[in-house]
Amino acid sequence: AQSVAQPEDQVNVAEGNPLTVKCTYSVSGNPYLFWYVQYPNRGLQFLLKYITGDNLVKGSYGFEAEFNKSQTSFHLKKPSALVSDSALYFCAVRDNSGNTPLVFGKGTRLSVIA
Amino acid sequence: NAGVTQTPKFRILKIGQSMTLQCAQDMNHNYMYWYRQDPGMGLKLIYYSVGAGITDKGEVPNGYNVSRSTTEDFPLRLELAAPSQTSVYFCASSFGQGGYEQYFGPGTRLTVT
Repeated sequence: AQSVAQPEDQVNVAEGNPLTVKCTYSVSGNPYLFWYVQYPNRGLQFLLKYITGDNLVKGSYGFEAEFNKSQTSFHLKKPSALVSDSALYFCAVRDNSGNTPLVFGKGTRLSVIA
Repeated sequence: NAGVTQTPKFRILKIGQSMTLQCAQDMNHNYMYWYRQDPGMGLKLIYYSVGAGITDKGEVPNGYNVSRSTTEDFPLRLELAAPSQTSVYFCASSFGQGGYEQYFGPGTRLTVT
């Protein structure tokens, strides 16, 4: 079975500081990994994904994520946080060995304080 | 492109009533999905479709039905609404499975009282 964990319900960071939103996963094969962002009263928006290749993936709005196979992690990062980054962030995983559905984490609420 | 559209945005149902949540996409995506989002629980897959005429159950299908007569449309039917179906419902679509990202609609907030 595949699963994903976001260990922090809430992350607070000061504007201009670097931010990290954590994600760990479990799959039987190799993973496809995704990050989505949800602003209030909106649907989820795709940020970035890891399929294969370079472990550092760059995405929208200056976000990036690093795939670490040994630690089964895919943490989301941004060098300098903006107040407008405040939102709910979801990590999702799918095992690439079969036709399995995408599994989402419970989400991490990011608050960037001016 | 409008992307993924959903109607209605909000709805209040009485216990036992039925309704259909509409979803349409104009990206010619083969795959479409219905999720529900409950506070602190992430997204749970209700049903999905890999193409017109083909649907399959997700993690939480009980109390729901779907159909997919065209590539564009994927309505979700709630029969005999129950308070446990109070949630925010999201429709999504993707070009394929595997490493393809999903595109989400704006959601329908449903309250059953």
